[in-house]
Amino acid sequence: DSGVTQTPKHLITATGQRVTLRCSPRSGDLSVYWYQQSLDQGLQFLIQYYNGEERAKGNILERFSAQQFPDLHSELNLSSLELGDSALYFCASSVEREGAGELFFGEGSRLTVL
Amino acid sequence: AQKVTQAQTEISVVEKEDVTLDCVYETRDTTYYLFWYKQPPSGELVFLIRRNSFDEQNEISGRYSWNFQKSTSSFNFTITASQVVDSAVYFCALSNYGQNFVFGPGTRLSVLP
Repeated sequence: DSGVTQTPKHLITATGQRVTLRCSPRSGDLSVYWYQQSLDQGLQFLIQYYNGEERAKGNILERFSAQQFPDLHSELNLSSLELGDSALYFCASSVEREGAGELFFGEGSRLTVL
Repeated sequence: AQKVTQAQTEISVVEKEDVTLDCVYETRDTTYYLFWYKQPPSGELVFLIRRNSFDEQNEISGRYSWNFQKSTSSFNFTITASQVVDSAVYFCALSNYGQNFVFGPGTRLSVLP
């Protein structure tokens, strides 16, 4: 158990819909990262927050947005969903602001868009 | 730009064989960190090891060992006497201050009974 909690674990929805994925980092970790892993694909970095502020952006679509709240949990919002958005979405947390510390990953949220 | 290459897409071995997973990285920085993660069929990503660029000592943890060679920009991972439970996708990753984590494409290891 990494200490990172992601909900929901599984989500099935239709094209055009909007979903919200939630992540609670490990106790004491201020950094939250979001990654997308499509079928048989590697890990694509989406976005990182540190202590409530956006720190880095990766290949995140404009239809996606995220935020980190004062209690440090984070949400990833995916809107106008397309079939290609079906993927495993991981949240990871780290104590470090910048990439020196290891990332601890949640179990992922598997999104299926039909 | 930073880059991680894992040239082996898939490897199959028979149980009890030793197997080495290759990782080659590119960075212009002198201070950086290297990681290995395991993703078993259940899907979660499990942290295995973190190594900083100033520590080239090899590390052994049970059946796992890591060989870090700055001269060849490699951080290879060896599993000794492999077991079926080692079947997973293994990711090598690189990061440093001011940069984000860069993950390699992963190597799928299948250990056959």
